[in-house]
Amino acid sequence: KAGVTQTPRYLIKTRGQQVTLSCSPISGHRSVSWYQQTPGQGLQFLFEYFSETQRNKGNFPGRFSGRQFSNSRSEMNVSTLELGDSALYLCASSFQGKDTGELFFGEGSRLTVL
Amino acid sequence: AQSVSQHNHHVILSEAASLELGCNYSYGGTVNLFWYVQYPGQHLQLLLKYFSGDPLVKGIKGFEAEFIKSKFSFNLRKPSVQWSDTAEYFCAVNRYGNTGKLIFGQGTTLQVKP
Repeated sequence: KAGVTQTPRYLIKTRGQQVTLSCSPISGHRSVSWYQQTPGQGLQFLFEYFSETQRNKGNFPGRFSGRQFSNSRSEMNVSTLELGDSALYLCASSFQGKDTGELFFGEGSRLTVL
Repeated sequence: AQSVSQHNHHVILSEAASLELGCNYSYGGTVNLFWYVQYPGQHLQLLLKYFSGDPLVKGIKGFEAEFIKSKFSFNLRKPSVQWSDTAEYFCAVNRYGNTGKLIFGQGTTLQVKP
């Protein structure tokens, strides 16, 4: 079974630009969550989607948004990039997103903002 | 708000030494508890999880953790570490029924000297 796939793996942007990251969950998984990992703040929850609906949202500004498609694939978008947005963005999927517990993580998309 | 605190940020051990990594969480309701590991250059992987039942849970690669409800703790242990255990370890919690939103601790970097 293929794991969680994230694209692109690496990208460099400049301040003010916007970026879209993609995540393909494990086949059959309907919940997709996004996390930001930085050396200073660690792993922080961004948002979770389940059946194309945002179910949970973390404490990030509105510049961070996401969506989920009918095939459970998800995208997250960051607009008006700031230097502090440089991070590893992780996507995780789970079977039902409820009571099953385990999240399966992708390898992440490393964003550098110059 | 939920929070997770890991006691040690950086641990250095020699091979065959015993390991215990501390984790305390702050949340009054029913929670699920996890330890994830991130080996160098790899994605986050689940080591073990606690949902209910026996508070002593066993995971992969000889790791175990004990849930002590009265202390809000979920410490990770391994009797004898190997060089291949060198990695970053994350304790995490989510609210029962809220799988996609994991709250992570800051992580503990474990370095095992051969």
